[in-house]
Amino acid sequence: EIVMTQSAATLSVSPGERATLSCRASQSVSSNLAWYQQKPGQAPRLLIYGASTRATDIPARFSGSGSVTEFTLTISSLQSEDFAVYYCQQYNNWPYTFGQGTKLEIK
Amino acid sequence: EVQLLESGGGLVQPGGSLRLSCAASGFAFAGYAMSWVRQAPGKGLEWVSAITNSGGTTYYPDSVKGRFTISRDNSKNTLYLQMNSLRVDDTAVYYCAKVATSIVAGNTNENWGQGTLVTVSS
Repeated sequence: EIVMTQSAATLSVSPGERATLSCRASQSVSSNLAWYQQKPGQAPRLLIYGASTRATDIPARFSGSGSVTEFTLTISSLQSEDFAVYYCQQYNNWPYTFGQGTKLEIK
Repeated sequence: EVQLLESGGGLVQPGGSLRLSCAASGFAFAGYAMSWVRQAPGKGLEWVSAITNSGGTTYYPDSVKGRFTISRDNSKNTLYLQMNSLRVDDTAVYYCAKVATSIVAGNTNENWGQGTLVTVSS
């Protein structure tokens, strides 16, 4: 099973600033990497798939990069609605696995 | 608009069974793979099963293999998860999700339902 590790459990950033979230895979997942956003009491929402492709209706301030084992989600200018938990997830090998999540909180 | 509505959750004793349903609308259900993902209270996310559009191929992680069965009825636009031999650590919100294409391999979930809570406790 591929283990996904998100380096920060919590990230404190001020509104308007840039946030950079990291995710590492225990073995290659090629570009089969997705990022999800989850707010309290809500289902996850797909932000990024294929490591760098924004999902439908996702604002351009969200961008993804990386391949193989190292991946990054960048939010260029944080809006109030962006404070949430973010999960990376590999879909290269079954069972598909998620990172443990990074909580993005207001500084 | 894609809509996924889960039902069937509730309280069950350890060793018991439960069947979850997911009613899908707003897209061509028979053309897409589907999945179930769960989230224990205050914890992260875990895929618990997936199924191709035809139902011909199913996927399970070791944690539920032999206890859970995913199925679908394309004539009713409904996805199911039969859960047997339930354990306390199966307690979670169970989400139904639509995979991006007809196959599971190399694809992920693009739409999610709101989830149904399963509580396994004596």
